[in-house]
Amino acid sequence: EPEVTQTPSHQVTQMGQEVILRCVPISNHLYFYWYRQILGQKVEFLVSFYNNEISEKSEIFDDQFSVERPDGSNFTLKIRSTKLEDSAMYFCASSGDSPLHFGNGTRLTVT
Amino acid sequence: DQQVKQNSPSLSVQEGRISILNCDYTNSMFDYFLWYKKYPAEGPTFLISISSIKDKNEDGRFTVFLNKSAKHLSLHIVPSQPGDSAVYFCAASAYKGAQKLVFGQGTRLTINP
Repeated sequence: EPEVTQTPSHQVTQMGQEVILRCVPISNHLYFYWYRQILGQKVEFLVSFYNNEISEKSEIFDDQFSVERPDGSNFTLKIRSTKLEDSAMYFCASSGDSPLHFGNGTRLTVT
Repeated sequence: DQQVKQNSPSLSVQEGRISILNCDYTNSMFDYFLWYKKYPAEGPTFLISISSIKDKNEDGRFTVFLNKSAKHLSLHIVPSQPGDSAVYFCAASAYKGAQKLVFGQGTRLTINP
Protein backbone atom coordinates (compact mmCIF):
# COMPACT_ATOMS: atom_id res chain seq x y z
CA GLU A 1 0.00 0.00 0.00
CA PRO A 2 1.41 3.44 -0.87
CA GLU A 3 2.46 5.53 2.08
CA VAL A 4 3.50 9.01 3.10
CA THR A 5 7.20 9.17 3.93
CA GLN A 6 8.86 11.77 6.12
CA THR A 7 12.50 12.63 6.68
CA PRO A 8 14.30 12.90 8.96
CA SER A 9 12.66 10.83 11.68
CA HIS A 10 14.35 12.96 14.33
CA GLN A 11 15.79 16.46 14.03
CA VAL A 12 17.61 18.29 16.77
CA THR A 13 18.27 21.98 16.32
CA GLN A 14 19.29 24.99 18.34
CA MET A 15 16.86 27.76 19.13
CA GLY A 16 16.87 30.38 16.41
CA GLN A 17 17.98 28.02 13.67
CA GLU A 18 16.01 27.24 10.56
CA VAL A 19 14.73 23.73 9.95
CA ILE A 20 13.13 22.07 6.96
CA LEU A 21 11.01 19.00 7.43
CA ARG A 22 10.48 16.91 4.34
CA CYS A 23 7.62 14.76 3.17
CA VAL A 24 6.82 12.69 0.11
CA PRO A 25 3.02 12.40 -0.13
CA ILE A 26 1.22 9.56 -1.85
CA SER A 27 1.75 10.10 -5.56
CA ASN A 28 -1.82 10.53 -6.81
CA HIS A 29 -2.96 12.65 -3.88
CA LEU A 30 -3.72 16.31 -4.46
CA TYR A 31 -4.18 17.65 -0.93
CA PHE A 32 -1.29 17.98 1.50
CA TYR A 33 -1.21 18.83 5.17
CA TRP A 34 1.00 19.38 8.16
CA TYR A 35 -0.14 18.54 11.68
CA ARG A 36 1.84 18.55 14.89
CA GLN A 37 1.60 16.95 18.30
CA ILE A 38 3.36 18.50 21.26
CA LEU A 39 4.23 15.86 23.84
CA GLY A 40 1.17 15.02 25.92
CA GLN A 41 -1.16 17.17 23.85
CA LYS A 42 -3.56 16.70 20.96
CA VAL A 43 -2.69 16.37 17.31
CA GLU A 44 -3.21 19.87 15.89
CA PHE A 45 -3.81 21.08 12.36
CA LEU A 46 -1.21 23.48 10.99
CA VAL A 47 -1.83 23.96 7.30
CA SER A 48 -3.43 22.48 4.19
CA PHE A 49 -2.10 22.89 0.67
CA TYR A 50 -3.81 22.37 -2.65
CA ASN A 51 -3.04 23.40 -6.21
CA ASN A 52 0.29 24.92 -5.18
CA GLU A 53 -1.10 27.22 -2.56
CA ILE A 54 -2.17 27.23 1.05
CA SER A 55 -5.88 26.51 1.28
CA GLU A 56 -6.21 26.88 5.03
CA LYS A 57 -3.97 27.51 8.00
CA SER A 58 -4.36 27.60 11.76
CA GLU A 59 -3.40 30.38 14.13
CA ILE A 60 -0.31 28.35 15.02
CA PHE A 61 0.96 28.71 11.44
CA ASP A 62 2.43 32.19 11.78
CA ASP A 63 5.07 33.99 9.69
CA GLN A 64 7.78 31.71 11.04
CA PHE A 65 6.26 28.81 9.13
CA SER A 66 6.12 28.22 5.41
CA VAL A 67 5.32 25.31 3.13
CA GLU A 68 6.46 24.50 -0.33
CA ARG A 69 6.06 21.88 -3.00
CA PRO A 70 9.39 22.39 -4.77
CA ASP A 71 8.88 19.60 -7.29
CA GLY A 72 6.31 16.99 -8.21
CA SER A 73 6.98 14.76 -5.26
CA ASN A 74 8.21 16.63 -2.17
CA PHE A 75 6.27 18.75 0.29
CA THR A 76 8.25 20.69 2.88
CA LEU A 77 7.61 22.59 6.08
CA LYS A 78 10.11 25.29 6.97
CA ILE A 79 10.42 26.91 10.37
CA ARG A 80 12.57 30.01 9.98
CA SER A 81 13.71 30.67 13.52
CA THR A 82 12.88 27.81 15.84
CA LYS A 83 11.67 28.35 19.38
CA LEU A 84 11.71 25.93 22.28
CA GLU A 85 7.93 25.59 22.01
CA ASP A 86 8.26 24.32 18.44
CA SER A 87 9.50 21.02 19.87
CA ALA A 88 6.90 18.49 18.77
CA MET A 89 6.14 15.59 16.50
CA TYR A 90 5.32 16.93 13.04
CA PHE A 91 3.10 14.80 10.83
CA CYS A 92 2.70 15.22 7.11
CA ALA A 93 -0.50 13.91 5.54
CA SER A 94 -2.03 13.67 2.11
CA SER A 95 -5.41 12.81 0.67
CA GLY A 96 -7.28 12.41 -2.55
CA ASP A 97 -10.92 11.46 -2.36
CA SER A 98 -10.13 9.63 0.86
CA PRO A 99 -9.39 10.16 4.52
CA LEU A 100 -6.00 11.56 5.42
CA HIS A 101 -3.01 9.27 5.23
CA PHE A 102 -0.33 10.27 7.70
CA GLY A 103 3.40 9.76 7.64
CA ASN A 104 5.31 8.45 10.64
CA GLY A 105 6.34 11.92 11.67
CA THR A 106 9.49 13.90 12.37
CA ARG A 107 10.33 14.47 16.00
CA LEU A 108 11.71 18.01 16.23
CA THR A 109 13.69 18.86 19.34
CA VAL A 110 14.69 22.49 19.83
CA THR A 111 17.41 23.05 22.41
CA ASP B 1 -9.75 23.93 22.36
CA GLN B 2 -12.14 21.27 23.62
CA GLN B 3 -14.26 20.82 20.52
CA VAL B 4 -13.56 17.09 20.47
CA LYS B 5 -13.17 15.24 23.74
CA GLN B 6 -12.21 11.74 24.65
CA ASN B 7 -12.77 11.58 28.37
CA SER B 8 -11.11 8.23 28.99
CA PRO B 9 -7.33 8.45 28.70
CA SER B 10 -7.04 4.68 28.94
CA LEU B 11 -9.07 1.51 28.65
CA SER B 12 -8.18 -2.09 29.42
CA VAL B 13 -10.16 -4.96 27.87
CA GLN B 14 -9.87 -8.72 27.89
CA GLU B 15 -8.99 -10.37 24.59
CA GLY B 16 -12.13 -11.54 22.80
CA ARG B 17 -14.40 -9.05 24.55
CA ILE B 18 -15.86 -5.85 23.16
CA SER B 19 -13.90 -2.58 23.36
CA ILE B 20 -15.97 0.60 23.38
CA LEU B 21 -14.23 3.92 22.93
CA ASN B 22 -16.19 7.12 23.33
CA CYS B 23 -15.94 10.61 21.92
CA ASP B 24 -17.95 13.80 22.42
CA TYR B 25 -17.95 16.95 20.36
CA THR B 26 -19.34 20.41 20.84
CA ASN B 27 -19.26 22.01 17.38
CA SER B 28 -22.56 21.42 15.60
CA MET B 29 -20.87 22.29 12.29
CA PHE B 30 -18.96 19.00 12.37
CA ASP B 31 -20.52 16.51 10.02
CA TYR B 32 -17.76 14.02 9.26
CA PHE B 33 -16.11 11.92 11.92
CA LEU B 34 -13.17 9.56 11.85
CA TRP B 35 -11.29 7.19 14.08
CA TYR B 36 -7.54 6.81 13.81
CA LYS B 37 -5.30 4.29 15.50
CA LYS B 38 -1.72 5.07 16.46
CA TYR B 39 1.13 2.80 17.43
CA PRO B 40 4.29 4.23 19.07
CA ALA B 41 6.73 5.80 16.60
CA GLU B 42 4.16 5.70 13.80
CA GLY B 43 1.68 8.17 12.40
CA PRO B 44 -2.08 7.88 12.89
CA THR B 45 -3.66 5.24 10.68
CA PHE B 46 -7.21 5.66 9.43
CA LEU B 47 -9.65 3.08 10.77
CA ILE B 48 -13.21 4.03 9.98
CA SER B 49 -15.34 7.10 9.35
CA ILE B 50 -18.95 8.17 9.44
CA SER B 51 -20.88 10.97 7.86
CA SER B 52 -23.54 12.82 9.81
CA ILE B 53 -26.27 11.48 7.55
CA LYS B 54 -25.69 8.03 9.02
CA ASP B 55 -25.86 6.71 12.55
CA LYS B 56 -23.79 3.60 12.05
CA ASN B 57 -20.95 2.40 9.88
CA GLU B 58 -19.41 -1.04 10.06
CA ASP B 59 -16.14 -2.44 8.72
CA GLY B 60 -15.25 -5.92 9.87
CA ARG B 61 -14.63 -5.91 13.61
CA PHE B 62 -15.01 -2.12 13.79
CA THR B 63 -18.29 -0.27 14.08
CA VAL B 64 -18.75 3.44 14.62
CA PHE B 65 -22.00 4.80 16.03
CA LEU B 66 -23.03 8.44 15.81
CA ASN B 67 -25.66 10.12 17.98
CA LYS B 68 -26.00 13.60 16.53
CA SER B 69 -28.50 14.85 19.07
CA ALA B 70 -26.12 13.93 21.89
CA LYS B 71 -23.05 14.99 19.89
CA HIS B 72 -21.50 11.65 20.73
CA LEU B 73 -19.82 8.91 18.80
CA SER B 74 -18.35 5.61 19.78
CA LEU B 75 -16.10 2.98 18.29
CA HIS B 76 -16.83 -0.66 18.98
CA ILE B 77 -14.22 -3.33 18.39
CA VAL B 78 -15.41 -6.88 18.63
CA PRO B 79 -13.81 -9.24 19.27
CA SER B 80 -10.81 -7.36 20.64
CA GLN B 81 -7.39 -8.72 19.73
CA PRO B 82 -3.93 -8.07 21.24
CA GLY B 83 -2.90 -6.23 18.05
CA ASP B 84 -5.64 -3.69 18.75
CA SER B 85 -3.58 -2.31 21.63
CA ALA B 86 -2.81 1.26 20.55
CA VAL B 87 -3.90 4.85 21.06
CA TYR B 88 -7.21 5.63 19.37
CA PHE B 89 -8.02 9.15 18.24
CA CYS B 90 -11.43 10.49 17.40
CA ALA B 91 -11.41 13.32 14.84
CA ALA B 92 -14.01 15.56 13.27
CA SER B 93 -14.29 18.01 10.41
CA ALA B 94 -16.88 20.43 9.08
CA TYR B 95 -17.23 18.58 5.82
CA LYS B 96 -15.71 15.53 4.22
CA GLY B 97 -13.58 17.44 1.78
CA ALA B 98 -12.07 19.81 4.34
CA GLN B 99 -9.77 17.35 6.04
CA LYS B 100 -8.92 20.02 8.57
CA LEU B 101 -9.38 17.55 11.33
CA VAL B 102 -9.93 18.42 14.97
CA PHE B 103 -8.61 15.60 17.14
CA GLY B 104 -9.50 14.36 20.57
CA GLN B 105 -6.83 13.66 23.15
CA GLY B 106 -6.77 9.95 22.43
CA THR B 107 -7.58 6.84 24.44
CA ARG B 108 -4.90 4.23 25.08
CA LEU B 109 -6.48 0.81 24.59
CA THR B 110 -4.77 -2.22 26.10
CA ILE B 111 -6.00 -5.69 25.23
CA ASN B 112 -5.07 -8.25 27.83
CA PRO B 113 -4.59 -11.90 26.87
